[in-house]
Amino acid sequence: EAAVTQSPRNKVAVTGGKVTLSCNQTNNHNNMYWYRQDTGHGLRLIHYSYGAGSTEKGDIPDGYKASRPSQENFSLILELATPSQTSVYFCASGDAGGNTEVFFGKGTRLTVV
Amino acid sequence: QQQVRQSPQSLTVWEGETAILNCSYEDSTFNYFPWYQQFPGEGPALLISIRSVSDKKEDGRFTIFFNKREKKLSLHITDSQPGDSATYFCAANNMGYKLTFGTGTSLLVDP
Repeated sequence: EAAVTQSPRNKVAVTGGKVTLSCNQTNNHNNMYWYRQDTGHGLRLIHYSYGAGSTEKGDIPDGYKASRPSQENFSLILELATPSQTSVYFCASGDAGGNTEVFFGKGTRLTVV
Repeated sequence: QQQVRQSPQSLTVWEGETAILNCSYEDSTFNYFPWYQQFPGEGPALLISIRSVSDKKEDGRFTIFFNKREKKLSLHITDSQPGDSATYFCAANNMGYKLTFGTGTSLLVDP
């Protein structure tokens, strides 16, 4: 079964601090995604990647960086965390081509105080 | 701007009734429409999907009706069960890399 694992599951960070959210997939999918979920906004795409070494900006990339060092791993980096980045973050993976199933992790709840 | 819209924001039905969740979109290049189901504390999971060449897709108690001309689709859940209580997201794609999600409908099925 397709597996996407996120760590940590919960994180409290201080304003101005650096936060790294990690994601690992064992599906051998080319595409990986980072979304954030907020009430009233649904799921919004932050960054995505279509292979190792690639990162692309999604719809709301400001304040976030991404890193795809390998096929399996995709990280989301908040260099200077702000309270507005308090949210639930989901990583996902999917086959190349777009019109295929995307598999989500269980999410990371980030609170910036 | 919200390219995929969903209504209602929340819906309550009795057990055994049919729940109807609505979705509309703006981009005429969208041609793949998956619905994702999300339970509290979990990530979304694919429930059912339809491509724009079809006007109906059925999978058990779940049916998507698609109207390409009006850019609308709906998810019908017949014989609703308490276990169907979840948030449902309509999404859209046009053969690109990313899915565009709606804001979701929170469904509660009362026993």
